[in-house]
Amino acid sequence: RKEVEQDPGPFNVPEGATVAFNCTYSNSASQSFFWYRQDCRKEPKLLMSVYSSGNEDGRFTAQLNRASQYISLLIRDSKLSDSATYLCVVISISSGSARQLTFGSGTQLTVLP
Amino acid sequence: NAGVTQTPKFRVLKTGQSMTLLCAQDMNHEYMYWYRQDPGMGLRLIHYSVGEGTTAKGEVPDGYNVSRLKKQNFLLGLESAAPSQTSVYFCASLLRNDYSNTGELFFGEGSRLTVL
Repeated sequence: RKEVEQDPGPFNVPEGATVAFNCTYSNSASQSFFWYRQDCRKEPKLLMSVYSSGNEDGRFTAQLNRASQYISLLIRDSKLSDSATYLCVVISISSGSARQLTFGSGTQLTVLP
Repeated sequence: NAGVTQTPKFRVLKTGQSMTLLCAQDMNHEYMYWYRQDPGMGLRLIHYSVGEGTTAKGEVPDGYNVSRLKKQNFLLGLESAAPSQTSVYFCASLLRNDYSNTGELFFGEGSRLTVL
């Protein structure tokens, strides 16, 4: 089983739609969680951190469920510019106290006009 | 402030050739990482470094070596390139290495390597 799993999609949604992605992780000791966005042939960039209490940034809402070991990303009122691959990232502490970042394989979103 | 810079951005190698990818960051970050990204596989960690003079293996280290002689530079070497190493390579550095919730990775633009 992969440490971090995402539904690869693709998700094809019309403009204005609401879309949600989930990401599950296997290491119960994982500490920090993030969503990154990656445009085609570009480097990933931080979209938002994910906090236990949930957090919102404009049209984007991120949630963490430690009991079920998953994080989610909700995008409301989808825009064409939201088309990208969304990567979840989980940080855990490996041996020697090093921070280990594990990426999901990404969920591809295409917003259609 | 250039952030994270990778060189070269493109390279074509023949099987058996060697090469080095250079990652340079000017943000005084402690942690640096090398990932490879293949279609449908996401980002997989090759090697990482938690500080100058230290390196550690990641998920897929075989066929690669790294060095961190200076804090700002993290080098990834391929001693004898194989077609399976055809990939896009990303270097990243981490803003913090404490246990806070901040974990923004800064990525380079990627290096596209083809091994024939």
